[in-house]
Amino acid sequence: KAGVTQTPRYLIKTRGQQVTLSCSPISGHRSVSWYQQTPGQGLQFLFEYFSETQRNKGNFPGRFSGRQFSNSRSEMNVSTLELGDSALYLCASSPTGTGGHEQYFGPGTRLTVT
Amino acid sequence: AQSVTQLDSHVSVSEGTPVLLRCNYSSSYSPSLFWYVQHPNKGLQLLLKYTSAATLVKGINGFEAEFKKSETSFHLTKPSAHMSDAAEYFCVVSDRGSTLGRLYFGRGTQLTVWP
Repeated sequence: KAGVTQTPRYLIKTRGQQVTLSCSPISGHRSVSWYQQTPGQGLQFLFEYFSETQRNKGNFPGRFSGRQFSNSRSEMNVSTLELGDSALYLCASSPTGTGGHEQYFGPGTRLTVT
Repeated sequence: AQSVTQLDSHVSVSEGTPVLLRCNYSSSYSPSLFWYVQHPNKGLQLLLKYTSAATLVKGINGFEAEFKKSETSFHLTKPSAHMSDAAEYFCVVSDRGSTLGRLYFGRGTQLTVWP
């Protein structure tokens, strides 16, 4: 099976702009989670989608949003970008997203905000 | 609540010597525990997982970890380090009883392997 894919791999944006990142999960996986990774804060949970519904959300401002499509592909959007949004954004998928199960990660999208 | 503490932010070893990366966890419920590895500019790769079966878990690339409930630990070991093991390692906990599969990450341990 193909792994989790994320596009684009690298992005450079300017403060105040918005950005959309895309994630395609492993075939058959219905749960998609997003994480932000920075040197200062480590890996932080953004949100999780299952069957097109957001089931769980981390402690991020409303500028961070996401959605999931009927084919389980997911997008996350960040509006009004700030310098602090510069990070590696990781997407992970799992079959059901229930507790105790491993998640499979994509290579990430490196976002740089200038 | 779930949380993970990785006791060392950096570990340096010589090639061919044993590796020990330490992890303590806190969980209100029955935990599943994982170790992931991240090579530079890459995503996270699952090394091994504990989900309530054998307490000694074997993973890929010669790594293994032992679940010790009494000590709330899940340390990662490898008998002989290889240069290719240099990477960042994350200890992760998840609540097996939850319908929500959120992962809780430690802050990571950077492993350096000297020739």
